[in-house]
Amino acid sequence: DGGITQSPKYLFRKEGQNVTLSCEQNLNHDAMYWYRQDPGQGLRLIYYSQIVNDFQKGDIAEGYSVSREKKESFPLTVTSAQKNPTAFYLCASSILAEPYEQYFGPGTRLTVT
Amino acid sequence: GQNIDQPTEMTATEGAIVQINCTYQTSGFNGLFWYQQHAGEAPTFLSYNVLDGLEEKGRFSSFLSRSKGYSYLLLKELQMKDSASYLCAVLDSNYQLIWGAGTKLIIKP
Repeated sequence: DGGITQSPKYLFRKEGQNVTLSCEQNLNHDAMYWYRQDPGQGLRLIYYSQIVNDFQKGDIAEGYSVSREKKESFPLTVTSAQKNPTAFYLCASSILAEPYEQYFGPGTRLTVT
Repeated sequence: GQNIDQPTEMTATEGAIVQINCTYQTSGFNGLFWYQQHAGEAPTFLSYNVLDGLEEKGRFSSFLSRSKGYSYLLLKELQMKDSASYLCAVLDSNYQLIWGAGTKLIIKP
């Protein structure tokens, strides 16, 4: 079955530590995205990538970093510079053609204390 | 700026019909999506509108008026499992999705 996997489902870290969230897709999609979701707010774009070895900042990239070394993988690192990292993180992918529908992974809930 | 507005919360009765509205102001328009999201889970695709009019898919229908910057999602024969948040999103001129905050739909027996 094709799909997007994110691991782990829940992640706990101490303040000041970097943490990497994984995202893998076997849909052969060119584009991949990372979103952050906070209660009462819409999804906010952190980073996106349309091709291997290239990625672009979204609206809230500060304190985050990504890599796209393989088409299937788009890991997100939450650095200690991110002031409020506790959130629900969603990875998505899409083809670069109409309708540009995005398919989502199950998400990772990160708690930093 | 870009803005998508939808009601924060709505309540409806099992078996009834509910309409969730979405208005948008975005830099360009390349389509409008509705997604369903159950608590703690990922959003799942419901519908896509790029031309004016009504798209029907089973119990769910979505309407678009580009001139008014307006869409609605219509849910018929409501079931308890329809309790979820419904997210409106617009594909802007850069082909990026701009998301509304979502409408939490509560279904009562």
